Amino acid sequence: GESVGLHLPTLSVQEGDNSIINCAYSNSASDYFIWYKQESGKGPQFIIDIRSNMDKRQGQRVTVLLNKTVKHLSLQIAATQPGDSAVYFCAENIPPNSGYALNFGKGTSLLVTP
Amino acid sequence: EAQVTQNPRYLITVTGKKLTVTCSQNMNHEYMSWYRQDPGLGLRQIYYSMNVEVTDKGDVPEGYKVSRKEKRNFPLILESPSPNQTSLYFCASSPREGDGYTFGSGTRLTVV
Repeated sequence: GESVGLHLPTLSVQEGDNSIINCAYSNSASDYFIWYKQESGKGPQFIIDIRSNMDKRQGQRVTVLLNKTVKHLSLQIAATQPGDSAVYFCAENIPPNSGYALNFGKGTSLLVTP
Repeated sequence: EAQVTQNPRYLITVTGKKLTVTCSQNMNHEYMSWYRQDPGLGLRQIYYSMNVEVTDKGDVPEGYKVSRKEKRNFPLILESPSPNQTSLYFCASSPREGDGYTFGSGTRLTVV
């Protein structure tokens, strides 16, 4: 099946800067997207999600933007902290699945330097 | 504490020796799923379950079995493990369709 891709495998940012992690998806029918954070030795942790009827959603220090025209998803992290260092995955749900068969991207490694 | 618990965390076994990785969630979630994570391949779904006694194949089901006799438990069974099943396995649960999964801490399996 079609898969979710990522523009950059690694991203290095300075502490305090804003981070932007990008994700491209190829299935225009995808209706639900999630960002996960995975720290070393741990399972993926839910960060934020967005449905296809929205183009922006904000959480605490994080914002997800969805551009359906170009099939692009991004995760913005404000004032990046050392604890944000992790691998970030985007995941999509493709109907007729209903969120229980998510399709994951390969991941982007975020490294926050002091 | 709301969580998904997998056991064991680490397992080394020999080819052909049946094994079971247990998964339990205490959040009364309907949906549960197993994923494997491999370098360069990301997370791939093995099996999922939408409710008790309802299971279905994911993207890479070959060599695996699951059961869902109770809502909270979703064990992953490898009847005859092979070295290509060496991987990091994650169990996950979700309260309802369309919501994100909560993942367990993972089981690192090595088959020699």
